[in-house]
Amino acid sequence: QVQLQESGPGLVKPSQTLSLTCTVSGGSISSGGYYWTWIRQHPGKGLEWIGYIFYSGTTYYNPSLRSRVIISVDTSKNHFSLKLSSVTVADTAVYYCARAVRGVHLWFDPWGQGTLVTVSS
Amino acid sequence: EIVLSQSPGTLSLSPGERATLSCRASQSVSSSYLAWYQQKPGQAPRILIFGASSRATGIPDRFSGSGSGTDFTLTISRLEPEDFAVYYCQQYGNLPWTFGQGTKVEIK
Repeated sequence: QVQLQESGPGLVKPSQTLSLTCTVSGGSISSGGYYWTWIRQHPGKGLEWIGYIFYSGTTYYNPSLRSRVIISVDTSKNHFSLKLSSVTVADTAVYYCARAVRGVHLWFDPWGQGTLVTVSS
Repeated sequence: EIVLSQSPGTLSLSPGERATLSCRASQSVSSSYLAWYQQKPGQAPRILIFGASSRATGIPDRFSGSGSGTDFTLTISRLEPEDFAVYYCQQYGNLPWTFGQGTKVEIK
């Protein structure tokens, strides 16, 4: 079955750019019918949807983060990536990648295990 | 954006009891485009319900969802030990997709 795995630095300095990659295994990222998404969870808090990318490159970002976020896809490597610029301590969170199954309805499944990114000098 | 407010924040119940979780939206959620997720400590969330009332594959029938418009409910008919977790509602009818702040179901 399809599995997702996040990778990237666990520590980023303030004002720098957070970069994460989500590698998809067990299926092709080019399969239609899915949005490839990033979601984060601040420590001990709820979930915040960051944005999605379709395999064609179409993106949508949460307006709250739009000015700082870029999500890209590399179909040849079967992975998609997140870049969040000008980070502050408020960006410290567990970052999840997830596949959004789209049809009449939509749900996130599967999810990666999540990776904690700490913003600190 | 649609703001989802979940209540109560924490629900203290015993195994075998019924749990009723509420999710209220700041505006109508079109076509009941609402989902529920379960999250256990150290794990990613898991889809339980989509379309307000449809159980995802493999989800036991003790989980049920209902509601429309701005008011939605997740009911767990008889709590099993593995059901103690945090539950989130999420709407996908309007971008940006948004989550509620969560309800923790804890053992009394």
